[in-house]
Amino acid sequence: QQPVQSPQAVILREGEDAVINCSSSKALYSVHWYRQKHGEAPVFLMILLKGGEQKGHEKISASFNEKKQQSSLYLTASQLSYSGTYFCGTPTAGNMLTFGGGTRLMVKP
Amino acid sequence: EADIYQTPRYLVIGTGKKITLECSQTMGHDKMYWYQQDPGMELHLIHYSYGVNSTEKGDLSSESTVSRIRTEHFPLTLESARPSHTSQYLCASSALGPAGSSGNTIYFGEGSWLTVV
Repeated sequence: QQPVQSPQAVILREGEDAVINCSSSKALYSVHWYRQKHGEAPVFLMILLKGGEQKGHEKISASFNEKKQQSSLYLTASQLSYSGTYFCGTPTAGNMLTFGGGTRLMVKP
Repeated sequence: EADIYQTPRYLVIGTGKKITLECSQTMGHDKMYWYQQDPGMELHLIHYSYGVNSTEKGDLSSESTVSRIRTEHFPLTLESARPSHTSQYLCASSALGPAGSSGNTIYFGEGSWLTVV
């Protein structure tokens, strides 16, 4: 079952904050976050392995609420380099990662 | 930094031609994957492998085939390319880990852009 991401797209001004959500209809063991810049391959940002865990990467952090079966990615004081598509991935049967539909983030000067 | 390589990066071929997209990784990962992605769209898993001689079809049906004769190598073949196969193909790999571990972290190659005319 594919996780659901929201919003589908976000446009920000440099310095503004954004939140991207990822939710699943099934129990989550972990949540992975990736960023894909235009014309490039997705790059791993972080993994959250247990409920309540929060992690950070630059000014990007994430939380994982196991009970609510969801994770949120927080982008603080966004920079132009944050532009891209963000994907969350959740493990399915057979330990495969299935990805959400992606959230397109555009940061403008 | 992940070491996973794809060739060719860009390819334009005629309808009906046979093509093979190469993918190699030097990390000793057991699991390998092929994703298909149209520009700006979702990542669709089309093939995966747990290890040598293991191949499985993914969520999205594909006319391509794969093989896994060596751990480090996971080529994808289209016997007769069609314009509908035009897309980006991303190869990826990960260690063999349980669902709740960091072993699921997937490392992607830079992708192969295929255009069938």
